[in-house]
Amino acid sequence: SQTIHQWPATLVQPVGSPLSLECTVEGTSNPNLYWYRQAAGRGLQLLFYSVGIGQISSEVPQNLSASRPQDRQFILSSKKLLLSDSGFYLCGGLVNTEAFFGQGTRLTVV
Amino acid sequence: GENVEQHPSTLSVQEGDSAVIKCTYSDSASNYFPWYKQELGKRPQLIIDIRSNVGEKKDQRIAVTLNKTAKHFSLHITETQPEDSAVYFCAASTGANSKLTFGKGITLSVRP
Repeated sequence: SQTIHQWPATLVQPVGSPLSLECTVEGTSNPNLYWYRQAAGRGLQLLFYSVGIGQISSEVPQNLSASRPQDRQFILSSKKLLLSDSGFYLCGGLVNTEAFFGQGTRLTVV
Repeated sequence: GENVEQHPSTLSVQEGDSAVIKCTYSDSASNYFPWYKQELGKRPQLIIDIRSNVGEKKDQRIAVTLNKTAKHFSLHITETQPEDSAVYFCAASTGANSKLTFGKGITLSVRP
């Protein structure tokens, strides 16, 4: 079955610092991949999705960006973090209609 | 695009009682409706799903019903237990490899 490895699990970064979160997929090829953010006590907000290598769609304007350099690799980045970027970030995949998620990254911007 | 709404945002029930969580969707082309359970600090896990060609699906204490005409679907949990306490997300999709749109989630608390 397919799995997503996402790291790190927790991260504390100062305001203005860069960010790089990575997830890799095992057990399937050519999945749709997603980055979600979940603020405290709130739902899953779709940030980016990708249907293939180099193909990124942004759902909300922000200071974050995403890249998909390989079929099974999805990266979330920022050049300068804001306090409002704090939250729980989830990498997700979709194969046919089945969704699966990484373990999540708890990001705290201080 | 699809819009999935989930109400209310919190629900508290007594242990042993039933809980019903409702979602509405906007895109009549949506044909797949999964439900996810997320425990604190963990990833969402699929607990049950339903496709548009059936009206109800049951798995032990959990059931999901779908009303395509009204464009809403519901999660039913019977004989609730404290370990059912979590955030529950509904979602909708228009088919294979289509974007999965989530509701905002509902926090279910089961009082012992």
